[in-house]
Amino acid sequence: EAGVTQFPSHSVIEKGQTVTLRCDPISGHDNLYWYRRVMGKEIKFLLHFVKESKQDESGMPNNRFLAERTGGTYSTLKVQPAELEDSGVYFCASSPVGYGGQYFGPGTRLTVT
Amino acid sequence: AQSVSQHNHHVILSEAASLELGCNYSYGGTVNLFWYVQYPGQHLQLLLKYFSGDPLVKGIKGFEAEFIKSKFSFNLRKPSVQWSDTAEYFCAVTYTGGFKTIFGAGTRLFVKA
Repeated sequence: EAGVTQFPSHSVIEKGQTVTLRCDPISGHDNLYWYRRVMGKEIKFLLHFVKESKQDESGMPNNRFLAERTGGTYSTLKVQPAELEDSGVYFCASSPVGYGGQYFGPGTRLTVT
Repeated sequence: AQSVSQHNHHVILSEAASLELGCNYSYGGTVNLFWYVQYPGQHLQLLLKYFSGDPLVKGIKGFEAEFIKSKFSFNLRKPSVQWSDTAEYFCAVTYTGGFKTIFGAGTRLFVKA
């Protein structure tokens, strides 16, 4: 069974540019989560999808961040325009209904210069 | 605000030493508790979880954790560590009824061979 995959693994962009991160959850997992870790700090929740619906987006930093989940399958997280403080590792995770833990992807390391 | 505190950011042990990593969470109601681990170059993975019942939870690779409700703690233990336990360990909590997972800042464990 394939795990959670994320693309790209690394992205370096300039301040003001746009970046789109993609997450492919494990097939059949209705729950999909996005997290961010700024260097040395805790992993912070961004938002949670159940299928294609956003259940909780209380962790999204501001309206420069837009997350979508097409047809309840893969998800994208767009940052537009990027700021220096957006740098960090963005993790995606998925889980089936009723499972307590989450399966994490490898993360996308975003560097904004 | 709900938070998770991990007592040590870096721990260095020799092989066969005993391990205890501290974790405290802020009060917010009934909780589900987790320990995740990230081995070098690998994804975050679930080590163990507590939802209810026996407060002493056993996980993979000989790890266990004890939930002490009165202390809002969920410390991770292993009687004898191995070099392969070198990793970063994250304590996390969700509050019942929610899916938002709150992580601690992580503890980097280095085990000397």
